[in-house]
Amino acid sequence: QQQVKQSPQSLIVQKGGISIINCAYENTAFDYFPWYQQFPGKGPALLIAIRPDVSEKKEGRFTISFNKSAKQFSLHIMDSQPGDSATYFCAAASGGNEKLTFGTGTRLTIIP
Amino acid sequence: DTAVSQTPKYLVTQMGNDKSIKCEQNLGHDTMYWYKQDSKKFLKIMFSYNNKELIINETVPNRFSPKSPDKAHLNLHINSLELGDSAVYFCASSQGSGALYEQYFGPGTRLTVT
Repeated sequence: QQQVKQSPQSLIVQKGGISIINCAYENTAFDYFPWYQQFPGKGPALLIAIRPDVSEKKEGRFTISFNKSAKQFSLHIMDSQPGDSATYFCAAASGGNEKLTFGTGTRLTIIP
Repeated sequence: DTAVSQTPKYLVTQMGNDKSIKCEQNLGHDTMYWYKQDSKKFLKIMFSYNNKELIINETVPNRFSPKSPDKAHLNLHINSLELGDSAVYFCASSQGSGALYEQYFGPGTRLTVT
């Protein structure tokens, strides 16, 4: 059972554009939503995370938008750069749980 | 100065063999994990240890056995390797036990079973 659904599977954006990746979850107990970035040949690395007490969190060019009623959250990358080309994973967990449940990943390519 | 390291980086072996992957972290973290990433990039947790104690043991064939000799090391031993075991295996660590702690991933070990 896939508890965190991620879309699109792949995304191509022009340099300077906005990249948007969406995730939806089913488990209402989830209360922690991180995004991980993975470059080819490397392990994933935490990019940004949000708790459901806020609807938006911004760090530099990266913003998470969170919609608790719709059980959806998304990653926005402003002014996308070729160096942002990577695979992005959303994830979710409940505070008392040990386990992160990952989405299926989005391969982002930024073209010049 | 590598934070989470894994050896080997690549492992090619035949079906039926037994192999081990080693993981070490120098971050002073209490919790370590093993993840499997399949060919479609899907990332799934297999095990986690906190202070050498097993916390998470997902539905993994018992051919897979993790061993934590100390807090800084978590090794993965796989018996009787099968074609379906081919994947990239990631070790990770976090300061505390629980999903709210940031997890630091190693570079991965690409296992190919022929």
